Amino acid sequence: QQQVKQSPQSLIVQKGGISIINCAYENTAFDYFPWYQQFPGKGPALLIAIRPDVSEKKEGRFTISFNKSAKQFSLHIMDSQPGDSATYFCAASRGNTPLVFGKGTRLSVIA
Amino acid sequence: KAGVTQTPRYLIKTRGQQVTLSCSPISGHRSVSWYQQTPGQGLQFLFEYFSETQRNKGNFPGRFSGRQFSNSRSEMNVSTLELGDSALYLCASSLGGLPAYEQYFGPGTRLTVT
Repeated sequence: QQQVKQSPQSLIVQKGGISIINCAYENTAFDYFPWYQQFPGKGPALLIAIRPDVSEKKEGRFTISFNKSAKQFSLHIMDSQPGDSATYFCAASRGNTPLVFGKGTRLSVIA
Repeated sequence: KAGVTQTPRYLIKTRGQQVTLSCSPISGHRSVSWYQQTPGQGLQFLFEYFSETQRNKGNFPGRFSGRQFSNSRSEMNVSTLELGDSALYLCASSLGGLPAYEQYFGPGTRLTVT
């Protein structure tokens, strides 16, 4: 049973455009929703995270939007740059349980 | 502050052998989690250690085991290697209050089983 479904699998965006990656979860007990960025040959790096008591969190060009009733959350990358080309993972957890990851989205930002 | 380090970075083993991977967490971090990353299955949780005790365990066979030392360094062991064990093995550390929050990953150990 896949608890966190991520889409799309791959995404191509023009430089300066907005990249949007979506995740849907099933377990309503989840209370922590991070996004990770992974470059080839590197481990995932924590990008931004949100708790369900807020609907949006912004850090620089990265924004998480959270819809508790729909059990969905998304990552928006504004003014996408070639350096943002990487694989992005959403994840979720509750309390003292481990992170459950989505399958990942490979983002390519082209000039 | 130094990040999470993992050794070795690359490893080639033969089916049936065993392997030990090492992880040194960020200084002050007491929780270490291990993940297996493959193209087909993505990131899958193996186990998590906190203060030398296994606190959480994923759905992997008993051939996968781990331990944590008093300095928070951790090792994982895979016995009787199978071809399907070829993967990137990642460890992540956190302060430890709750295992998932603010996890920082190492670069991983790329294990190839032939």
